[in-house]
Parts: sequence; structure tokens; C-alpha cells
Amino acid sequence: DQQVKQNSPSLSVQEGRISILNCDYTNSMFDYFLWYKKYPAEGPTFLISISSIKDKNEDGRFTVFLNKSAKHLSLHIVPSQPGDSAVYFCAASQDSGSARQLTFGSGTQLTVLP
Amino acid sequence: NAGVTQTPKFRILKIGQSMTLQCTQDMNHNYMYWYRQDPGMGLKLIYYSVGAGITDKGEVPNGYNVSRSTTEDFPLRLELAAPSQTSVYFCASSTTEAGYTFGSGTRLTVV
Repeated sequence: DQQVKQNSPSLSVQEGRISILNCDYTNSMFDYFLWYKKYPAEGPTFLISISSIKDKNEDGRFTVFLNKSAKHLSLHIVPSQPGDSAVYFCAASQDSGSARQLTFGSGTQLTVLP
Repeated sequence: NAGVTQTPKFRILKIGQSMTLQCTQDMNHNYMYWYRQDPGMGLKLIYYSVGAGITDKGEVPNGYNVSRSTTEDFPLRLELAAPSQTSVYFCASSTTEAGYTFGSGTRLTVV
């Protein structure tokens, strides 16, 4: 039972255009959401996050949108660059009273074409 | 800045063999985690630790053991390797959920 789902395994976008990566979740107790980026042969690196009390968070070219009623979040990259080509993981966590554990989606391979 | 260091990077095991995946962090993080990533799947939590001497099971702990004798080290032990344990293993440490720092991974193949 996947609590965090990324239904698009891959996405190709032209350089300079917008990339939109989507993520759905089922656990209504999740209150913190993150995006990680992963290059081949490297570990994931933190990209951007959003708390459930917000509906948008922006950091440079990256914006994350959260729609709590739809249990949906998305990552927008504008403009997309070839260096953005990587696997993007959506992750979510809830306050369990102990160390917050992340639940990851299966990832979306983004390819930005020059 | 070493961050999180995992060794080895690659390993091939025969069924039934045992091995220890090493993980060391130099950021004085209290929280440490072991994840595995199977092809086409997200990362799944195996074990985690909130501090030296304290460990707990994650989503997929069967077939693994961990220990946390120091803040820096969090080794993952496979006692009887099985083909189902073929995966890429990531160690991570954090102070918060946004502060996860991952190692570069260990690619394990069990044949």
C-alpha cells in the first residue's frame, strides 16, 4: 500500500520550458512534504519542502504547491535546465513523537532536452 | 566536508553469506537511517536510530540488524543474504526531516 505515489515514471521537457512533477498521498496525517533530487551513483539531495499549513513555497526556479483537499503536491521548475535532469522523489512525514521518518514515492525521471 | 560516508560502494554476495554495510557521519546528527531502493520503487526504511544505543525497526526490517554504539556510526548487518536483498542501500542522517543527508549508496547483488 503506497502512501506516496508518483504516477509518472518519466518526464521529458525542452530546455527553458516548465517542468511539472506530480505527487499524490493517501495518509491525511502527513504534515510535511519534501522533494529530493537524485543523480546517478549519488544519494538523494534535499531540494525544497513545504509544511501543511502552507499551499506554496518558492525557492529560486523551484516552487512546490500543496493541495491538501486533493492530497496532491507538485513541483514546478521554471525555466528547466539540462542540469535538472535527474530522478525526483516526493517524500512525506508525520509527527510520530519520535524521529520523523520519510515515506518516499517511487520517483520521476526528469530529462531536460537541450 | 565528508557528510555521510558509506562503504563499500559495490558488493556481490552469495546466498547465505553475511556482510556489514558501514555508515559514518561527521555532522553530529542524532538521527540516522537505513533505506533500500529497489528498481522502480521509492526508498523504503529498514531501520532508524534516534541516538547512540537506540534503534528501531522501519518498514522492511526482516533479514537485517543494526547497532548504534556511537553517534557517528550506524552499521547495517545482513546475516543470511537472500536474492530479495539485492538492492541499493542508502544511509542517511539528520537533525530534522529537511536535514536528511544521504550517503552515496551501496549497490548489493546477492547471487
